Amino acid sequence: DIQMTQSPSSLSASVGDRVTITCRASQSISNYLNWYQQKPGKAPKLLIYAASSLQSGVPSRFSGSGSGTDFTLTISSLQPEDFATYSCQQSFSTPYSFGQGTELEIK
Amino acid sequence: EVQLLESGGGLVQPGGSLRLSCAVSGFSFSSSAMTWVRQAPGKGLQWVSVISASGGSTYYADSVKGRFTISRDNSKNTLYLQMNSLRAEDTAVYYCAKDRTYSSGSPRGQFDYWGQGTLVTVPS
Repeated sequence: DIQMTQSPSSLSASVGDRVTITCRASQSISNYLNWYQQKPGKAPKLLIYAASSLQSGVPSRFSGSGSGTDFTLTISSLQPEDFATYSCQQSFSTPYSFGQGTELEIK
Repeated sequence: EVQLLESGGGLVQPGGSLRLSCAVSGFSFSSSAMTWVRQAPGKGLQWVSVISASGGSTYYADSVKGRFTISRDNSKNTLYLQMNSLRAEDTAVYYCAKDRTYSSGSPRGQFDYWGQGTLVTVPS
């Protein structure tokens, strides 16, 4: 099974900051990597699929990159509504697996 | 508007059974693979199971294989998760989600719409 590891586990940042979250797969997954945002008490929301494709309706300040085993999610200029938990997920093979999540907090 | 509404959660004793349902609207259910994802209290997301658009293919996490069964009724636009032999570690909010499905009906593993979740509690 493929293990997904995110770093950092938590991150404090300010509105307007540029933020990068990293996700590493235990084996090569090509570009089969997706990113989700989740706010407390709410369902996850798909932000990025296939490593770098922006889901419809997601602001362009969100971007994804990477291939193989190393991936990044970047928020170019943090907005107040971006403070949430972000999770990566591999769709290369079942069982699909998620990273442990990165909690993005207000500094 | 795409809507997914889970139901059937609740408190169940260890070893017991529960069937979750997910009623959907606003998209072509019969053309969409569907998945279940769970989240234990204060923990991360864990994928549980996926079913192809036709229902002909199903896959499970090792932790639920042999105990849980995913199914669907395309005439009722409803997804199900039959959970047997429940354990304390199955306690979680269970989400159903729509998959960005291939034209063949096979899952891509990309979950673009989610329900609000239903809580399953199995006391230890």
